[in-house]
Amino acid sequence: ETGVTQTPRHLVMGMTNKKSLKCEQHLGHNAMYWYKQSAKKPLELMFVYSLEERVENNSVPSRFSPECPNSSHLFLHLHTLQPEDSALYLCASSQDHGQGEQFFGPGTRLTVL
Amino acid sequence: SQQGEEDPQALSIQEGENATMNCSYKTSINNLQWYRQNSGRGLVHLILIRSNEREKHSGRLRVTLDTSKKSSSLLITASRAADTASYFCATGETSGSRLTFGEGTQLTVNP
Repeated sequence: ETGVTQTPRHLVMGMTNKKSLKCEQHLGHNAMYWYKQSAKKPLELMFVYSLEERVENNSVPSRFSPECPNSSHLFLHLHTLQPEDSALYLCASSQDHGQGEQFFGPGTRLTVL
Repeated sequence: SQQGEEDPQALSIQEGENATMNCSYKTSINNLQWYRQNSGRGLVHLILIRSNEREKHSGRLRVTLDTSKKSSSLLITASRAADTASYFCATGETSGSRLTFGEGTQLTVNP
């Protein structure tokens, strides 16, 4: 495992539920990312935070709401999801925002019923 | 169409053989990276090659980059069953600030 942890590892939720995914990095990095990984698709970048400020939001539906309270923690709040949102959600961090090496957490496997 | 496309989509070899995976991209890049992902887990960074480099080695891994052909290859020598995973290339385009990942190559190494 890397210095990036994610909880929970598995989550099953109904379309009317509200849940949150948590990511924590212990690497002293300044940038954190949320990715969505669906079967047979490339990784989709959802959100980027640099020094706790959101710097990218790639046309993600409002039912996904990120929060970065400090440079070590990143949350993804989920509300009124659709079955097509079922996927592996990966958190990553890097020293600074840009094109350097990224360190990934193990992911949260989300199933929306 | 996407920036990074890996080829082949799937590769099955015997332990001890070499595995070669290719990545093609479309725009100018600052660097290209390779990552490995074991089933249902996070990605692990393997190697980064800059646009002014042609070849890099790390243990049993050899990466080449041909910017004129906009392609890269990842060679794993003397493969082991533990190398079974998906391998992704990611490009850092000169026009942007992010990494763009391809769909990956699923490598299976049979014991």
